[in-house]
Amino acid sequence: DQQVKQNSPSLSVQEGRISILNCDYTNSMFDYFLWYKKYPAEGPTFLISISSIKDKNEDGRFTVFLNKSAKHLSLHIVPSQPGDSAVYFCAASTFNTDKLIFGTGTRLQVFP
Amino acid sequence: DAGITQSPRYKITETGRQVTLMCHQTWSHSYMFWYRQDLGHGLRLIYYSAAADITDKGEVSDGYVVSRSKTENFPLTLESATRSQTSVYFCASSEVGSNQPQHFGDGTRLSIL
Repeated sequence: DQQVKQNSPSLSVQEGRISILNCDYTNSMFDYFLWYKKYPAEGPTFLISISSIKDKNEDGRFTVFLNKSAKHLSLHIVPSQPGDSAVYFCAASTFNTDKLIFGTGTRLQVFP
Repeated sequence: DAGITQSPRYKITETGRQVTLMCHQTWSHSYMFWYRQDLGHGLRLIYYSAAADITDKGEVSDGYVVSRSKTENFPLTLESATRSQTSVYFCASSEVGSNQPQHFGDGTRLSIL
């Protein structure tokens, strides 16, 4: 049973526009959420995170929103750049564990 | 340079062979993890370790063995490789404490023929 779901396997966005990547989860005990970015032939790199006590966290062009009642989080990239083209994974963990549960990933393509 | 390195980057072996994937980190992070990445599954946890000589199973641990005699090393061994273990394997590490992000190596692509 997939506890963290990324239902869109791919997304294509024009350069300069907003990219919105979505993630849903089923375990209400998750209290920490992260987004990772992965380029081909490289490992995932940490992008941004959010704790369940917040509903928004911002870092430059990247903003993560958390809707606990809907068990949904999203990553907004504004403005999108060609270098943002990668696979994005969301991940979640519960309090007092360092184990992450990952989604299946969304491939973002930013075209000129 | 400080970081986390995996070796080899690519490996081809045959079913039934034993193969060991190496992971080395220079941050002195307490926690280390092994994941496999497969199409349609994302990253799944194989094993993790909270400190030297402390290891525990993850979601997909069958057929794998780990050890952690030193903080900086966390090798993963496939005792008798099967085709279903063909995958990309990632090692990660993190600091102790709540909500610490994990930092990943660049992966080992393992093909079992």
